[in-house]
Amino acid sequence: NAGVTQTPKFQVLKTGQSMTLQCAQDMNHEYMSWYRQDPGMGLRLIHYSVGAGITDQGEVPNGYNVSRSTTEDFPLRLLSAAPSQTSVYFCASSYSVLQNYGYTFGSGTRLTVV
Amino acid sequence: KNEVEQSPQNLTAQEGEFITINCSYSVGISALHWLQQHPGGGIVSLFMLSSGKKKHGRLIATINIQEKHSSLHITASHPRDSAVYICAVGLLPERLTFGEGTQLTVNP
Repeated sequence: NAGVTQTPKFQVLKTGQSMTLQCAQDMNHEYMSWYRQDPGMGLRLIHYSVGAGITDQGEVPNGYNVSRSTTEDFPLRLLSAAPSQTSVYFCASSYSVLQNYGYTFGSGTRLTVV
Repeated sequence: KNEVEQSPQNLTAQEGEFITINCSYSVGISALHWLQQHPGGGIVSLFMLSSGKKKHGRLIATINIQEKHSSLHITASHPRDSAVYICAVGLLPERLTFGEGTQLTVNP
């Protein structure tokens, strides 16, 4: 099925551990983004990419790395997990055609850092 | 003050009622999105607006660029409409700013 696939859906980490959240899309979308969602706050942008090989920081990038070696994949790496990174993470892909653009979100990864 | 403000934060309605959720923003945008998030957590894009009005079934979204305001209307509401509705704005498709969401509960 076409869309954005995120894995894993749930993860528990110990403080200091590292891990990679996977995100893949099969719609040939140029743009991909990672957001985190915390209670009482809107989704906040962590990192984004405008195409393969091009990434940039969003609003809350500290503690996270990304890379985009292919159009399809945009993994998010937690370098040394901290309890403050407990959140729900969403990957999204989007396209832009003549200033019209569409958004597709992954199903989310619920991460708990203990 | 947040760049994107939604009201109300919580809304409870009876089945069949007409519902309005409002979104005001303070930044320049090229488009505004209305998203729906169900209790399971998945987020679905409902509308993208850059001007005027759009309609999908019982959902209607309007935007007033001059006033920096958008509304999402649900006609003949149904319990399956219960969800969090999120307004998001942006100049660029890869960078959106989100409101905190409006929790809608429609009772039978």
